[in-house]
Amino acid sequence: DVKVTQSSRYLVKRTGEKVFLECVQDMDHENMFWYRQDPGLGLRLIYFSYDVKMKEKGDIPEGYSVSREKKERFSLILESASTNQTSMYLCASSLTRQGSYGYTFGSGTRLTVV
Amino acid sequence: GEDVEQSLFLSVREGDSSVINCTYTDSSSTYLYWYKQEPGAGLQLLTYIFSNMDMKQDQRLTVLLNKKDKHLSLRIADTQTGDSAIYFCAEAPISDSWGKLQFGAGTQVVVTP
Repeated sequence: DVKVTQSSRYLVKRTGEKVFLECVQDMDHENMFWYRQDPGLGLRLIYFSYDVKMKEKGDIPEGYSVSREKKERFSLILESASTNQTSMYLCASSLTRQGSYGYTFGSGTRLTVV
Repeated sequence: GEDVEQSLFLSVREGDSSVINCTYTDSSSTYLYWYKQEPGAGLQLLTYIFSNMDMKQDQRLTVLLNKKDKHLSLRIADTQTGDSAIYFCAEAPISDSWGKLQFGAGTQVVVTP
């Protein structure tokens, strides 16, 4: 089975800190995604990547950046954490651009910014 | 509308059937998916249906697809307490040049004894 591993299940950070959320997949998937999930708002796409060193903005990229230096790893960076970035963050990967096999999700990182 | 739409909440008694409904946006979507999210966890792919099918059955799960109305449903037979979760439908619209999935907001299913 494909595994998508997010490095932390829970994180607590202070306002203004630079925060790194790491995601690694082990099945050579081309595509990787970062979402945030908030009650009543569903999943919102932050950034995605279809290749190494390639990134595209999703629906809510403000306040975030990403890095994909290796195919298996996709990092989400909060440049200066704010309390409104308290959320559940989900990483996903998919084999092909068409997504015909769907996405595989990690277990999520619940981030609290205080 | 432009969003994948689902009702937000469903309460069902243990042993009954659950039906979760979804309206999607793009009639040319090739694949449609159902994901399950248990508390504190990521999303898990439950099942998917290809757009040339009307129905797909997988053990207790039945997916029905009405392309004319862009309506997708998931039926869970003999619902158990372990089925309590949030269920997301998603489509793979042709109109998205990047091939991204579009998700609904999720339906919270609560199974009561």
